[in-house]
Amino acid sequence: EVQLVESGGGLVQPGGSLRLSCAASGFTLSSYEMNWVRQAPGKGLEWISHITSSTSNVYYADSVKGRFTISRDNAKNSVYLQMNSLRAEDTAVYYCASFGSRGNWFDPWGQGTLVTVSS
Amino acid sequence: EIVMTQSPATLSVSPGERATLSCRASQSISTNLAWYQQKPGQAPRLLIYGASTRATDIPARFSGSGSGTEFTLTISSLQSEDFAVYSCQQYNNWPPTFSFGPGTIVDIK
Repeated sequence: EVQLVESGGGLVQPGGSLRLSCAASGFTLSSYEMNWVRQAPGKGLEWISHITSSTSNVYYADSVKGRFTISRDNAKNSVYLQMNSLRAEDTAVYYCASFGSRGNWFDPWGQGTLVTVSS
Repeated sequence: EIVMTQSPATLSVSPGERATLSCRASQSISTNLAWYQQKPGQAPRLLIYGASTRATDIPARFSGSGSGTEFTLTISSLQSEDFAVYSCQQYNNWPPTFSFGPGTIVDIK
């Protein structure tokens, strides 16, 4: 079964840092371009970051550029999101998601991990 | 930046009835549009990509149409498991600036 599992969420103070992980099972993550998408409580979905498969080119939404860093370790079948200088507005469920097999839609998704930024 | 809007915000439908959801892009995105279903406490699930192609294992009662700036998701006969939030997403840009619509809540009438 193809599965993505996020971990690393939790409560952090404003200005703090957190590192999220996304582990793949049932498929070889190195072949896929990966993304992080978040959803603030009661809000819609927001794409925040993308990493290509082989060249590891990275892209970010303006809302996180300069604060978040996406990376991957293909040997560990995992993708990461390093989040620095966290703000209250970063509070959300964070999902990792693969691109679809033939295009730039998101499939599959992980179950999500909650990040709460609060003092 | 491509802005996605959806209407209505909430759609109340009786089981067995047809539901029609709309999604609009602020500029042409060809058919580079996906639809997702999301239930409370769950991750989104891909329903439709390429504006009209059903994803694997998606029932035939779900259909998508449209191109350019206007798109529609139709659920032909609503089942109890279809009551959820439906979001559209454009993937027309590269470098990526993918954007989602705010979602339409389909609830029981």
